[in-house]
Amino acid sequence: DAGVTQSPTHLIKTRGQQVTLRCSPKSGHDTVSWYQQALGQGPQFIFQYYEEEERQRGNFPDRFSGHQFPNYSSELNVNALLLGDSALYLCASSLAGGAGGPHEQYFGPGTRLTVT
Amino acid sequence: GQNIDQPTEMTATEGAIVQINCTYQTSGFNGLFWYQQHAGEAPTFLSYNVLDGLEEKGRFSSFLSRSKGYSYLLLKELQMKDSASYLCAPRNTPLVFGKGTRLSVIA
Repeated sequence: DAGVTQSPTHLIKTRGQQVTLRCSPKSGHDTVSWYQQALGQGPQFIFQYYEEEERQRGNFPDRFSGHQFPNYSSELNVNALLLGDSALYLCASSLAGGAGGPHEQYFGPGTRLTVT
Repeated sequence: GQNIDQPTEMTATEGAIVQINCTYQTSGFNGLFWYQQHAGEAPTFLSYNVLDGLEEKGRFSSFLSRSKGYSYLLLKELQMKDSASYLCAPRNTPLVFGKGTRLSVIA
């Protein structure tokens, strides 16, 4: 049973460019959440997708956008990259879990984005 | 909103026991997760508590007191490989993490 996969593993971009990161959830999971993790910090919630719609959003600018496909895979897009966007981007999948919140999330290995 | 507080860093000796505390404030409580994250890697799920008391899982145990908004992770027989960050997160939508506790296990 494949776990959560992300691509690419590492990425180097320059300021002002755009980037797309990809995530395939664990088999059977229907919810995908994206997190940004700077060095020495906990993961910061960007947004969550369920049934191909953005369900919740954290405190991130509109430069961060996403998409979920019918097969539950997801993309994170970041436009007009800034140096401060350099971080580890984590994708996590789970079952929706209803009003109580998601069941435990399973994280992918992350994409290390460096903006120069 | 949510507020999560954990010690930033802890150091313990191989073979010892260490307790990592977590206090939280959240609107509507549905349980609490603990995750382990090794440097440069993704967090991995450790435990989930929804009722008060101690949940034991091998060398790791997690305790919850809902009335106090308090949890702790207890690691026994520490090994060098336990050096990692430990993150607590109240179960909610979205799942919000604190900064985590960086544990260093020394010989």
